[in-house]
Amino acid sequence: NAGVTQTPKFRVLKTGQSMTLLCAQDMNHEYMYWYRQDPGMGLRLIHYSVGEGTTAKGEVPDGYNVSRLKKQNFLLGLESAAPSQTSVYFCASSYSRQGARYSYEQYFGPGTRLTVT
Amino acid sequence: DQQVKQNSPSLSVQEGRISILNCDYTNSMFDYFLWYKKYPAEGPTFLISISSIKDKNEDGRFTVFLNKSAKHLSLHIVPSQPGDSAVYFCAAVIIQGAQKLVFGQGTRLTINP
Repeated sequence: NAGVTQTPKFRVLKTGQSMTLLCAQDMNHEYMYWYRQDPGMGLRLIHYSVGEGTTAKGEVPDGYNVSRLKKQNFLLGLESAAPSQTSVYFCASSYSRQGARYSYEQYFGPGTRLTVT
Repeated sequence: DQQVKQNSPSLSVQEGRISILNCDYTNSMFDYFLWYKKYPAEGPTFLISISSIKDKNEDGRFTVFLNKSAKHLSLHIVPSQPGDSAVYFCAAVIIQGAQKLVFGQGTRLTINP
């Protein structure tokens, strides 16, 4: 049981290049999320998905696209990278159920450190 | 507009003493609050949570207190241990819809031997 995995761990891009970050989870979670973490700003939600084939915008979606063709995978794309997208990117997943004992915990991957020069 | 705020970027505590990390929020619609711990080069890991209908939740050395009238919560760690040195994030969630977390900026806790 690997939990949430992210590929790649590190990447350096030149301005204008494109790339795709892959997130995979093996916990059969319905919900998946992409965050970015920047110094002094905590984690900010980029896009999220409540199920296979569905995606929605988060707090900072500009410059990113996502797809969720399979329940276990959530892809984050940068079509034309900019230096402002230099950040650490985290993927997370969670169950959708609610209840008295449910904690709304999201499970995070180890992160992808992206530098855009 | 920062809905969840952690106003202390860093905190230094002696081993064995109590660590208190604070968090303030502005949105009264938040239903649940979570604390995450993050080590360098790793993803955040869940620590403890509290429902907005409670004022305290305890799990071993970790206790979270919620003061709804003040829109304030705090995480108490006692006794503090060197392995507690990490960045701690407070997060809040509205449980309707996609259960999106709103994070604070984080507080770096350093436990000194």
